[in-house]
Amino acid sequence: RKEVEQDPGPFNVPEGATVAFNCTYSNSASQSFFWYRQDCRKEPKLLMSVYSSGNEDGRFTAQLNRASQYISLLIRDSKLSDSATYLCATHGSGNTGKLIFGQGTTLQVKP
Amino acid sequence: NAGVTQTPKFQVLKTGQSMTLQCAQDMNHEYMSWYRQDPGMGLRLIHYSVGAGITDQGEVPNGYNVSRSTTEDFPLRLLSAAPSQTSVYFCASSYSQGGPSYEQYFGPGTRLTVT
Repeated sequence: RKEVEQDPGPFNVPEGATVAFNCTYSNSASQSFFWYRQDCRKEPKLLMSVYSSGNEDGRFTAQLNRASQYISLLIRDSKLSDSATYLCATHGSGNTGKLIFGQGTTLQVKP
Repeated sequence: NAGVTQTPKFQVLKTGQSMTLQCAQDMNHEYMSWYRQDPGMGLRLIHYSVGAGITDQGEVPNGYNVSRSTTEDFPLRLLSAAPSQTSVYFCASSYSQGGPSYEQYFGPGTRLTVT
């Protein structure tokens, strides 16, 4: 079993829709969680960090469920520009600075 | 700040050749990492460093060497290139904000093809 798992999708949604992705992790000692956005052939860019129960930034909401060991990303009022791959990542215990990434979920927002 | 820079952007190697992918950051970050990204595989950690002089292996270290002589630089060496090393390579850096935060910032990547 991979340490961080995501449904690769693709998720095809119309503009204005609400879409949610889940990401499960196996290391119960994980302390920090992140969502990154990656556009085709570009570097990942940090979208949101989650350290406690959740975080919200405009149309984006991230939730952490430690009991079930998953994090979720909710996107409201989807825009065409939200089309991208969304990667989740976890940082375990200890001061290593290394993140473990899921394989990514592809979102395609259609007009 | 330039952030994280990587050179070259593109490289084609023949099997058996060696080369070094360069990575530098000007943010004084303690932590640096190298990842490779293959289609459908996400980002896989090759090597990482928690500070100058300290490196460790990640998930897929075979065929790669690293060193960290300064805080700023973290080069990745391919010892004898193989077609299986054809991939996109990303370097990243991060710092501890005194808590559990290790937000990583990525360089633009190096696209490597081994023929």
